[in-house]
Amino acid sequence: EDQVTQSPEALRLQEGESSSLNCSYTVSGLRGLFWYRQDPGKGPEFLFTLYSAGEEKEKERLKATLTKKESFLHITAPKPEDSATYLCAVHDSWGKLQFGAGTQVVVTP
Amino acid sequence: SAVISQKPSRDICQRGTSLTIQCQVDSQVTMMFWYRQQPGQSLTLIATANQGSEATYESGFVIDKFPISRPNLTFSTLTVSNMSPEDSSIYLCSVEARGGEVYNEQFFGPGTRLTVL
Repeated sequence: EDQVTQSPEALRLQEGESSSLNCSYTVSGLRGLFWYRQDPGKGPEFLFTLYSAGEEKEKERLKATLTKKESFLHITAPKPEDSATYLCAVHDSWGKLQFGAGTQVVVTP
Repeated sequence: SAVISQKPSRDICQRGTSLTIQCQVDSQVTMMFWYRQQPGQSLTLIATANQGSEATYESGFVIDKFPISRPNLTFSTLTVSNMSPEDSSIYLCSVEARGGEVYNEQFFGPGTRLTVL
């Protein structure tokens, strides 16, 4: 059964304190792993797509990496404006986007 | 990427009534999707809206409760019928737009926050 699991559920960071979010997945034939950022009351904002193990992508303070079983979203020297829920999703066996439960990140000054 | 707008952005409705949510995209897209996000939860796919054919519903969602229209390649509507408080959620429109290196990436609208009293 296709499954996406994110950890931790919540993360509280001091400004400048780097950390990583985990997304582990089980899907037959990965067709893309996606990271989104969601602010309260808004739709998810697309961040990255990763397609193959070893691939890395960066955007400002965010860096996403992919292995055969999991993906990490590294937040380097976070700022309060990085506070959001980060969602991971994979294209499942039916070609549909399956989401994890998300990691809620709070960055305090 | 694709720019997606939704109307209304939020609404408060009475039990037993219906609400139609509109989704407009700034470019022609083949695949449009409707999701529900209940409070504190992640996204759940309701249905895939295909132009020129009936929508395809996921397990647990039925056409009588969530009728969908897709009259052209830039527009879709989702109706939440005979609402109950359990329908209080954010409803999100999403499109699969060409932008990825291998597979099309999926972008989301701003959402419609529905509260049913």
